[in-house]
Amino acid sequence: QVQLQESGPGLVKPSQTLSLTCTVSGGSTSSGGYYWSWVRQHPGEGLEWIGYIYYSGSSYYNPSLKSRVIISVDTSKNQFSLKLNSVTAADTAVYYCAREWGGKYYFDYWGQGTLVTVSS
Amino acid sequence: QSALTQPASVSGSPGQSITISCTGTSSDVGTYNLVSWYQHHPGKAPKLVIHEVSERPSGVSNRFSGSKSGYTASLTISGLQAEDEADYYCCSYAGFSTVVFGGGTKLTVL
Repeated sequence: QVQLQESGPGLVKPSQTLSLTCTVSGGSTSSGGYYWSWVRQHPGEGLEWIGYIYYSGSSYYNPSLKSRVIISVDTSKNQFSLKLNSVTAADTAVYYCAREWGGKYYFDYWGQGTLVTVSS
Repeated sequence: QSALTQPASVSGSPGQSITISCTGTSSDVGTYNLVSWYQHHPGKAPKLVIHEVSERPSGVSNRFSGSKSGYTASLTISGLQAEDEADYYCCSYAGFSTVVFGGGTKLTVL
């Protein structure tokens, strides 16, 4: 059974960089066929796709966030990470990591999510 | 890239059937048979219930079914149970290796 767990600071100051890590167990970030993804949910709102990375390092991002986002993968640690820079209060959300079937574009395993609040 | 359109809420009584719609455009739902649906109980991880329009993952009740016509995909839940009360989200491939979610629908079991 694949499990994903998000970790990182729950509070980030405006203009700084939000950094989160997702640790994968029961599966491998170096196996082909899957994209390792980040999705967020603003308070009281719907889900928003942030982007994903393939084990090779190829990454794809939501056009609305592309200028501020970097997703990376560390296959040796079986982790992948999200960095979102120049954050504002509008980036306050629950951030989920998930595994996405490559080519099918659906998310079959999700982390529990972690709340990140942007505030001074 | 605009969010797919879902009704804000639907409701039904135990044993009844409900359908949640998800309307997109020619850039997403209308072109690709890559629509998925997720059940989300607040505070928990979202759960995949339908992928590729109508495919049900192993372990998901056959009370969940999906379909698509034109620019609109639909999720039907038959034989409603109290445990089905949750938020439901659709998601579609939107070209150029991107995906887009719907705004979510709150299902209330009366």
